[in-house]
Amino acid sequence: SAVISQKPSRDICQRGTSLTIQCQVDSQVTMMFWYRQQPGQSLTLIATANQGSEATYESGFVIDKFPISRPNLTFSTLTVSNMSPEDSSIYLCSVRWSGQETQYFGPGTRLLVL
Amino acid sequence: QQQVKQSPQSLIVQKGGISIINCAYENTAFDYFPWYQQFPGKGPALLIAIRPDVSEKKEGRFTISFNKSAKQFSLHIMDSQPGDSATYFCAASGGSYIPTFGRGTSLIVHP
Repeated sequence: SAVISQKPSRDICQRGTSLTIQCQVDSQVTMMFWYRQQPGQSLTLIATANQGSEATYESGFVIDKFPISRPNLTFSTLTVSNMSPEDSSIYLCSVRWSGQETQYFGPGTRLLVL
Repeated sequence: QQQVKQSPQSLIVQKGGISIINCAYENTAFDYFPWYQQFPGKGPALLIAIRPDVSEKKEGRFTISFNKSAKQFSLHIMDSQPGDSATYFCAASGGSYIPTFGRGTSLIVHP
């Protein structure tokens, strides 16, 4: 496995603003994913971050709300745009290497929107 | 439609007891079944995983039991310790390797 870091670790934001979350891995990975974990809930996949192309979004998530970048094989960002209190959640970066089935998660970003 | 059903939602066990968490899946294309452990303020971490070609896998105090015909699998934590208090997620994945997660079980082990 590798070291996966996320910034910020937590934040409190005002509604209507946007927050960009960074995910950095200390080695090159094949796949990077972004998940949302609402309080007391399971892990919901937002999108797969594709290197050099547009992210692949799951049903219920759109690029205008959650723009994602992945400029290289070790870094990705997720932006939560025009936030509302319903966006309060933990946002998790996850990675997977080619040929492996296991996903590894970062420590998460805890977001509270007031 | 929830493809992986996990129970119980919460579990309280005394120190030294056995914790059992159950999961059931619907999609017969699933062929990889990991369990994740998540402590408060941390991301989920892989605990143990199993494939359907074996009925049981043990790593230390943690055992996965797998019943392919019933499409069920469970996590057993033997000699549960207060340090095991965490949220546990079962998951299942198939060809796409993108896992479907259960809703999680909050385990509290009392000293």
